[in-house]
Amino acid sequence: IAGITQAPTSQILAAGRRMTLRCTQDMRHNAMYWYRQDLGLGLRLIHYSNTAGTTGKGEVPDGYSVSRANTDDFPLTLASAVPSQTSVYFCASSDSAQGGADTQYFGPGTRLTVL
Amino acid sequence: GQNIDQPTEMTATEGAIVQINCTYQTSGFNGLFWYQQHAGEAPTFLSYNVLDGLEEKGRFSSFLSRSKGYSYLLLKELQMKDSASYLCAVGDSNYQLIWGAGTKLIIKP
Repeated sequence: IAGITQAPTSQILAAGRRMTLRCTQDMRHNAMYWYRQDLGLGLRLIHYSNTAGTTGKGEVPDGYSVSRANTDDFPLTLASAVPSQTSVYFCASSDSAQGGADTQYFGPGTRLTVL
Repeated sequence: GQNIDQPTEMTATEGAIVQINCTYQTSGFNGLFWYQQHAGEAPTFLSYNVLDGLEEKGRFSSFLSRSKGYSYLLLKELQMKDSASYLCAVGDSNYQLIWGAGTKLIIKP
C-alpha cells in the first residue's frame, strides 16, 4: 500500500452501538489526525496525535476516543454512537519534522450513518 | 474566535480564469494551505504560502497577504476536471489547521 487507507468505506450503524474506524499509513509520518466533514461546514478536528504514544483533543472530541500504539495506526472509536455523529470521517497524516503547520495527506474517508 | 471565510459557490467557463478568495482570523499564523476536493473524494494538497506574495504552480497560483489576512487561489485555463471544491486552511498558533467550509467551483462548457 502507499499512503493512507481507511476502513470501512461506509457503514450504517444503529444508535448506541460501538464502532471503530480504522486508519493506517505507510509514509512513516509522525503526526496523524481525525476529522469529520459535514455539509456546509469546514473539516473539524476530532483528535490528533503528534507522535506514537501521544494523543490530543481537537475541536469536537466528545463521544470519540483514539489511541496511537505505533506510528502506522490511528483508530477512532465511537463508544456509543448517536445520530449527530452521522458524517464523513477523514484520517490524515503529516511529517511534523518540517515544523510549522505541515502539509496533511488524507485517506479516502469513511461515510458513517447512525440511525 | 477563529474564522476562515470563502465564497460558498462560484461558476466559471471552460478556458477562463477564476479567483477564489479566502479571508482569515486566527490565533497566530503558521502558513496557509489550499486543497482541492472532488465530490465524494478526499482533499488533496494544492499549495502552501507562508510568506507574502504569489506562489505559482502550473495553471494554479496562490497569493498571500498576512497583514490583510487574505489569500486567493487563481486557476487559469480552466478545464472541466477543475470542477471541485477548494478548501482554504490556516495553521494556527498550535500548528493545527483551521479549515474554511470550501468553495464549490462549477465549470461550464
